[in-house]
Amino acid sequence: EAQVTQNPRYLITVTGKKLTVTCSQNMNHEYMSWYRQDPGLGLRQIYYSMNVEVTDKGDVPEGYKVSRKEKRNFPLILESPSPNQTSLYFCASSRRGVDNQPQHFGDGTRLSIL
Amino acid sequence: AQSVAQPEDQVNVAEGNPLTVKCTYSVSGNPYLFWYVQYPNRGLQFLLKYITGDNLVKGSYGFEAEFNKSQTSFHLKKPSALVSDSALYFCAVRDMGYALNFGKGTSLLVTP
Repeated sequence: EAQVTQNPRYLITVTGKKLTVTCSQNMNHEYMSWYRQDPGLGLRQIYYSMNVEVTDKGDVPEGYKVSRKEKRNFPLILESPSPNQTSLYFCASSRRGVDNQPQHFGDGTRLSIL
Repeated sequence: AQSVAQPEDQVNVAEGNPLTVKCTYSVSGNPYLFWYVQYPNRGLQFLLKYITGDNLVKGSYGFEAEFNKSQTSFHLKKPSALVSDSALYFCAVRDMGYALNFGKGTSLLVTP
């Protein structure tokens, strides 16, 4: 089954304790992206990757890091989480190309930073 | 920058009635527009997209959307709403790369 898998689904942690949210896709997609969803703001892009070893900032990258060492994985790293990073996070992937394939989303990770 | 706006935070409709969820866009060049639906505790699911061609786009679960260039709108429609259609709906426009710029979302509530 084609899917984007995020882990963990839920996490409560404390300020300053480094954490990683993993994202894996099994569709051989080149493009991967991280979004955060906040009430009244919709989804905002944090980082994206066009292919292995190629990453770039989205609209709200501050406080986050990513890496793309393998095509299927795109982890989101919060080196020193703060309460304003409490949010619902989504990973997404899609093919690249001219046919505007839709992005496939994971089920989300709800982070609470105390 | 490419952007979309969803003017309604919530839409209420009775089961069996037609529904419309509104979206307007602002783009330079040709718009690539999408509708996604989000059910509780789930990720976004793709409903339909407009790239070029027919202004009426048909998608999943009986939904369709009407692209109107003169009004810069891309409203989501369904002829007969179901209670199970209750969810959060997002309109999105593809940016110059592959990023999606989302609207703030519209909560659809279908009552029996």
